[in-house]
Amino acid sequence: EVQLVESGGGLVQPGGSLRLSCAASGFTFSSYWMHWVRQAPGKGLVWVSRINSDGSSTSYADSVKGRFTISRDNAKNTLYLQMNSLRAEDTAVYYCARDIPLVSSFDYWGQGTLVTVSS
Amino acid sequence: SYELTQPLSVSVALGQTARITCGGNNIGSKNVHWYQQKPGQAPVLVIYRDSNRPSGIPERFSGSNSGNTATLTISRAQAGDEADYYCQVWDSSTAGVVFGGGTKLTVL
Repeated sequence: EVQLVESGGGLVQPGGSLRLSCAASGFTFSSYWMHWVRQAPGKGLVWVSRINSDGSSTSYADSVKGRFTISRDNAKNTLYLQMNSLRAEDTAVYYCARDIPLVSSFDYWGQGTLVTVSS
Repeated sequence: SYELTQPLSVSVALGQTARITCGGNNIGSKNVHWYQQKPGQAPVLVIYRDSNRPSGIPERFSGSNSGNTATLTISRAQAGDEADYYCQVWDSSTAGVVFGGGTKLTVL
């Protein structure tokens, strides 16, 4: 059974940092692109970042470019999102999602982890 | 950057057909995917590549895409279909993913 389990969310002050993790199981993690998607309270889905299967290629939404870094450890079956210089508008539930090869849609999602940026 | 436009809300009578649109410039040239999200839950893929259903998704869910509009159609709507629905595409110009703003479906 495919499982994606996020962790690392919490309350952080503006300007602070946080690292999210997404533990994957039930599939060959190293064969899939992975993404982070966020959802502010009461708002819609917003794509954040993606990484290819071996970690050699990444892309980011303009709103997080230069502040967030996506990475992965295929030996540990884990996806990461390092978030620096956090702002109030980064407050959201962060989901990791698996990319369907050659389709660029998401067939499995984690349950999400809440990041709250507030003083 | 590429933008997708969805109606904020759509209402449908129980047992009738709901249609949720997703507008974008020449969206017919892109692959469109649709997600259902119920309160407090992660999104679920219901249609991929315009009109394909993942395993486990009822045949009542279908999709089409042409010109500047993609459409998610839900036939014989049930109370359990009440949810937010999002369309999504891959924007090759930015190497990124774009979501529509979401549509809240109400079953009356």
